[in-house]
Amino acid sequence: DGGITQSPKYLFRKEGQNVTLSCEQNLNHDAMYWYRQDPGQGLRLIYYSQIVNDFQKGDIAEGYSVSREKKESFPLTVTSAQKNPTAFYLCASSPGQLFYEQYFGPGTRLTVT
Amino acid sequence: GQQVMQIPQYQHVQEGEDFTTYCNSSTTLSNIQWYKQRPGGHPVFLIQLVKSGEVKKQKRLTFQFGEAKKNSSLHITATQTTDVGTYFCAGGPRDSGTYKYIFGTGTRLKVLA
Repeated sequence: DGGITQSPKYLFRKEGQNVTLSCEQNLNHDAMYWYRQDPGQGLRLIYYSQIVNDFQKGDIAEGYSVSREKKESFPLTVTSAQKNPTAFYLCASSPGQLFYEQYFGPGTRLTVT
Repeated sequence: GQQVMQIPQYQHVQEGEDFTTYCNSSTTLSNIQWYKQRPGGHPVFLIQLVKSGEVKKQKRLTFQFGEAKKNSSLHITATQTTDVGTYFCAGGPRDSGTYKYIFGTGTRLKVLA
């Protein structure tokens, strides 16, 4: 069954700790994305990757880091430098060309206290 | 930089009433996509518009892309309770060298039975 998975669904961390969110896809898509969604707001792009071993900063990359060592995986690390990390994080993938839809994972809700 | 605004932010309608959300970009777009996010869920692709002045229909949903390719609308005829959710537009950049979409702020629709 093809799709995009994120784990865990809910994540709780103490302030000052780094945390890594998982994103895996078996759709053979080249492009992958990380978005942040805050209550009542739209999706803001954190990082995106158009191909393995390459990624670019989105609009709100500060305090986050990513890697793209495998085509199917695009983990996001929320570092202690991120001032307001509590949010809903969504991972997405697309075949890699501009006119294709994005497929979203179920999301990870991160709470930092 | 490119910005995409959506209005209204919220809309409550009685079941059976019509609903429209508008999407406006600060720059000309190559294409526009529409997504629906159910409460507690993740965005799901609805449709893509590419051509200037394009109109597409999906049952009770009508999508339009403006002549200048800077605005778009989604109209739902005779809303049903299953239409509840947040509707997002996502503008594709004119520069096709990047796969970076800019999402609108979303319109949250509530349908009262």
